[in-house]
Amino acid sequence: DIQMTQSPSTLSASVGDRVTITCRASQSISGRLAWYQQKPGKAPKLLIYTASTLQSGVPSRFSGSGSGTEFTLTISSLQPDDFATYYCQQYNHFWTFGQGTKVEIK
Amino acid sequence: QVQLVQSGAEVKKPGASVRVSCKASGYTFTNYYIYWVRQAPGQGLEWMGIINPSGGSPNYAQNLQGRVTMTRDTSTSTVYMELSTLRSEDTAMYFCARSYGDRDAFDIWGQGTMVTVSS
Repeated sequence: DIQMTQSPSTLSASVGDRVTITCRASQSISGRLAWYQQKPGKAPKLLIYTASTLQSGVPSRFSGSGSGTEFTLTISSLQPDDFATYYCQQYNHFWTFGQGTKVEIK
Repeated sequence: QVQLVQSGAEVKKPGASVRVSCKASGYTFTNYYIYWVRQAPGQGLEWMGIINPSGGSPNYAQNLQGRVTMTRDTSTSTVYMELSTLRSEDTAMYFCARSYGDRDAFDIWGQGTMVTVSS
């Protein structure tokens, strides 16, 4: 099984901050990496797929990068609506999620 | 609009079974794979299985083999997930989601169905 490890688990930030979340895969996943945003009591929402492609309708302050086994999600200027939990997911070999990163208000 | 609408919350006793439905609308049902993902309270996301609405056998997570069954009804554009021999650890929010290919991200999710297992 491919393991996905996110860091940090929790991140405290302020509106306007640049935020970066990292996701590491236990083996190469050929760029088949997605990022989701989840708010309490809601379903996850797709933000980015194939590591760096922005899903339609997602604000351009979100960006993804990486290859091989290391990937990052960046929010260029944190907005009030962005306080949520973020998950990475690999879909190269079956489907596995990271444990999540909660972005909190500092 | 494109959506997946799930059935309502369930409360079950240990040892019972539960069936959750996921009705698709706004797109061609057979063109997209459907997945089930669950989330225990305060925990992360766990993939449970995949079913191709156009045919073929479902593929289940190893830890649920023998307890989970996924089926499709193309006449109503609905996918079902049945989990048997429920235990307290199965208490979770259950989501369905879709992808275009079986190597694609999940672009649309259902609203979730809370299943509570309690004596």
